[in-house]
Amino acid sequence: QKEVEQNSGPLSVPEGAIASLNCTYSDRGSQSFFWYRQYSGKSPELIMSIYSNGDKEDGRFTAQLNKASQYVSLLIRDSQPSDSATYLCAVGSSNTGKLIFGQGTTLQVKP
Amino acid sequence: SAVISQKPSRDICQRGTSLTIQCQVDSQVTMMFWYRQQPGQSLTLIATANQGSEATYESGFVIDKFPISRPNLTFSTLTVSNMSPEDSSIYLCSVGEAGVTDTQYFGPGTRLTVL
Repeated sequence: QKEVEQNSGPLSVPEGAIASLNCTYSDRGSQSFFWYRQYSGKSPELIMSIYSNGDKEDGRFTAQLNKASQYVSLLIRDSQPSDSATYLCAVGSSNTGKLIFGQGTTLQVKP
Repeated sequence: SAVISQKPSRDICQRGTSLTIQCQVDSQVTMMFWYRQQPGQSLTLIATANQGSEATYESGFVIDKFPISRPNLTFSTLTVSNMSPEDSSIYLCSVGEAGVTDTQYFGPGTRLTVL
C-alpha cells in the first residue's frame, strides 16, 4: 500500500514566523512531489512542485526533497494570516499520472 | 494552466436517486481524474477517466456506483448512483498531462449532500 503521511496539526505559528510542513512517503519509485493549498470550502490549489533532491524556492515558499529519506517539506517564510489553510502533500505514483495525497496539515497563522 | 469548470457546484439530493456531475476544460488534456473528499478528510481517487474507453477505477470504487464518461479530450461526467447519506462529499475533477511532471489541476468541486 503506497502511503503519504502528514501530521494533521493544527500547526499554529505567529504572523511573520516560518511555518514548516512535513511529509513522508513510502514508494521509493516516486519521482514527482507536490504541495497543494486548500482553503476551507475551496478546491486544492497547486503551490509547489519538486522533482529533484534539494531545495526549490518560489517567493515565500521553499520545497525541500530528500529521496533517500523519502521526505518532502514545505517552508513558508514570513507567514501571513492569509496562509491559514490546509496544506496537502501529493506524490506522483511512478509515472502513472496518478497522485497519492496525504491527509493534510492545517496551518493557523495568528496575527 | 487549464480552466476547469464543474456543474453543479452543489446539490442536495434524496436517498436512492442519482446525480451526474459535469467537468469541462477549456483545452484538450490527456488525463482527467475524479476524486472524492469526504468531510474533514483528504482526497481519494475514484477513477481515471479515459477518452474513448472505460474508466479505470481504484480499489473500493465500482462502475455500477460511479459510472464515468469521457467522450472527448475536454469533457467528462461522473454519476453518483443510488445515493445514500454516506455519499455526501465534495467531488472534484482534475486534469493533467501524463509523463514526468504528473502535475494535476483541480476544478472547483461539487458539494453533494444526500438526505
